[in-house]
Amino acid sequence: DIVMAQSPDSLPVSLGERATISCRSSQSVLHSSSDKNYLAWYQQKPGQPPKLLIYWASTRASGVPDRFSGRGSGTDFTLTISTLQAEDVALYYCQQYFTTPITFGGGTKVEIK
Amino acid sequence: EVQLVQSGTEVKKPGESLKISCEGSGDSFTTSWIGWVRQKPGKGLEWMGIIYFGDSDTRYNPSFQGQVTISADRSISTAYLQWSSLKTSDTAIYYCATGDSGTYWWGDKWGQGTLVIVSS
Repeated sequence: DIVMAQSPDSLPVSLGERATISCRSSQSVLHSSSDKNYLAWYQQKPGQPPKLLIYWASTRASGVPDRFSGRGSGTDFTLTISTLQAEDVALYYCQQYFTTPITFGGGTKVEIK
Repeated sequence: EVQLVQSGTEVKKPGESLKISCEGSGDSFTTSWIGWVRQKPGKGLEWMGIIYFGDSDTRYNPSFQGQVTISADRSISTAYLQWSSLKTSDTAIYYCATGDSGTYWWGDKWGQGTLVIVSS
């Protein structure tokens, strides 16, 4: 199985500041024939289901604010919130879909400093 | 737009059977791959498996193979997750989610979750 490691576990950030979450996979999730990274990011608020933010490592899902961005390739990826808003307080998960079983990172909790 | 509505909270005893559901609406639902994801209390997300509505092609996470059964009834746009003999360790929230592909699956739209409590 591909192991997804996220860091940090908890990320306190001041309102209006940048938040950057790291996700590292135990093997590359870059598909050579398509040149696409098989990686998604989700946001989960308390008591709610996950919400898709990013797929193909950097493509924002419909309706996701442009302050959310994803980048990276191969085994190292980041999710950045450019200017943290109060409503962005949540858990964030990365997920690889390069191979089954599909696996998720352990999650990063973004909170207000 | 696809919407998913899951069945309600279940409280069961160890050894009992259970089938929970995920009903979808929207034009593209019956050509979607429906995935099931487990979230134990205070823990992260675990992918259990996916099923294609078109032909019921099903793929399991080996960690869940034999422990649960994923099925679907296309005529009523509903996917199911079932257990024949629950364990206390099955206590969790179970989410269904749609995806466009069985080869590269991410959860595009999610149900609200079904809380399953297994306790003697």
